[in-house]
Amino acid sequence: EPEVTQTPSHQVTQMGQEVILRCVPISNHLYFYWYRQILGQKVEFLVSFYNNEISEKSEIFDDQFSVERPDGSNFTLKIRSTKLEDSAMYFCASSQTSLEFFGPGTRLTVL
Amino acid sequence: AQSVTQPDIHITVSEGASLELRCNYSYGATPYLFWYVQSPGQGLQLLLKYFSGDTLVQGIKGFEAEFKRSQSSFNLRKPSVHWSDAAEYFCAVALWMEDSSYKLIFGSGTRLLVRP
Repeated sequence: EPEVTQTPSHQVTQMGQEVILRCVPISNHLYFYWYRQILGQKVEFLVSFYNNEISEKSEIFDDQFSVERPDGSNFTLKIRSTKLEDSAMYFCASSQTSLEFFGPGTRLTVL
Repeated sequence: AQSVTQPDIHITVSEGASLELRCNYSYGATPYLFWYVQSPGQGLQLLLKYFSGDTLVQGIKGFEAEFKRSQSSFNLRKPSVHWSDAAEYFCAVALWMEDSSYKLIFGSGTRLLVRP
């Protein structure tokens, strides 16, 4: 069964450093998403990406965040200068049209 | 504004007992509704979904959910809980976007504990 994969599973970084979280969506999917879950809180939508551009983003997704689909298979989330409050589990998801498949997540810890 | 409420933060049931997890939503149109399960340290696994049609939907692992428009609810049920069902359960509603996809609005989750 096809699945969304994410690397790394856990990333530890120093405050102010740049991080790139990587995702490989399901191959024939057209829509790609990032969600975030701060420890103990609900899962929150960050951004959706379609046709090589951002289609919607939340207020969380400020100028420190960017997404890219560099090579037709990977989908990345970059945080330019991490803050302590960026510590969370980041989930990638993809869909054809009507359903989202989630990856296992990357736990980001900012020290 | 669209929202999902899961009123129970924690629920504890005995193994073999029945389970019902509550979910209420606020959405202007006919909702697309989902239940996801998250085991400790794991990602989100789709249990079941409701798009239209039969209001009682069957999912994986023996779960079912019933859509009740009059109550704005989509409660998750299982007749006999197994120890492996201990996890966090999230209800979500789809919010459509202009590109014809949707984003999910999640509830705050219910943590299920199973007593041996």
